[in-house]
Amino acid sequence: DTGVSQNPRHKITKRGQNVTFRCDPISEHNRLYWYRQTLGQGPEFLTYFQNEAQLEKSRLLSDRFSAERPKGSFSTLEIQRTEQGDSAMYLCASSLRTSGNTIYFGEGSWLTVV
Amino acid sequence: AQTVTQSQPEMSVQEAETVTLSCTYDTSESDYYLFWYKQPPSRQMILVIRQEAYKQQNATENRFSVNFQKAAKSFSLKISDSQLGDAAMYFCACYSGGGADGLTFGKGTHLIIQP
Repeated sequence: DTGVSQNPRHKITKRGQNVTFRCDPISEHNRLYWYRQTLGQGPEFLTYFQNEAQLEKSRLLSDRFSAERPKGSFSTLEIQRTEQGDSAMYLCASSLRTSGNTIYFGEGSWLTVV
Repeated sequence: AQTVTQSQPEMSVQEAETVTLSCTYDTSESDYYLFWYKQPPSRQMILVIRQEAYKQQNATENRFSVNFQKAAKSFSLKISDSQLGDAAMYFCACYSGGGADGLTFGKGTHLIIQP
């Protein structure tokens, strides 16, 4: 069990550029979540997959954000035309339904938009 | 929708002493789980302890224990024999299924350990 892996760990980008983050969940975990966390706040839900199906997206998520999990394994989160307000840490998490709903988090990907 | 409230933005405790972090929650679901996560300066969210709502017995994990008061919707975390490595942000969270209301976090309590 190698844990939830995210990359890149840090990304600095200019406003207007596109960025993509990757998440590799714990092997065989069928649920995968993306959260966003800003300084001084708890994580906020962005979107959720069960296997390859994206079941729900937060109403807070603008259409510049898109996430995929093409084969039900790793996932990508893309942010198009980045804005300074997108600066945050993007957390990926995974769980297995039979594990009692315990959700395990990765180390996060820091995004700074300049 | 569910909400989680942590009313203590910051707590301080002397090393080796005991500290209790408060959390209240609100959910319309009858089946839910409660968690405490620790987030050290490295920023990785680490699971500290979990409690199933249907269990009356309070969960314990070594020096960490909870006081789960279901009727009052209260879920406090007690840390005994505090250690310097316990210094971190602590987040209380409630989980009632997948989706937008799946895992809701409080705003966190910053725990300082005084040597």
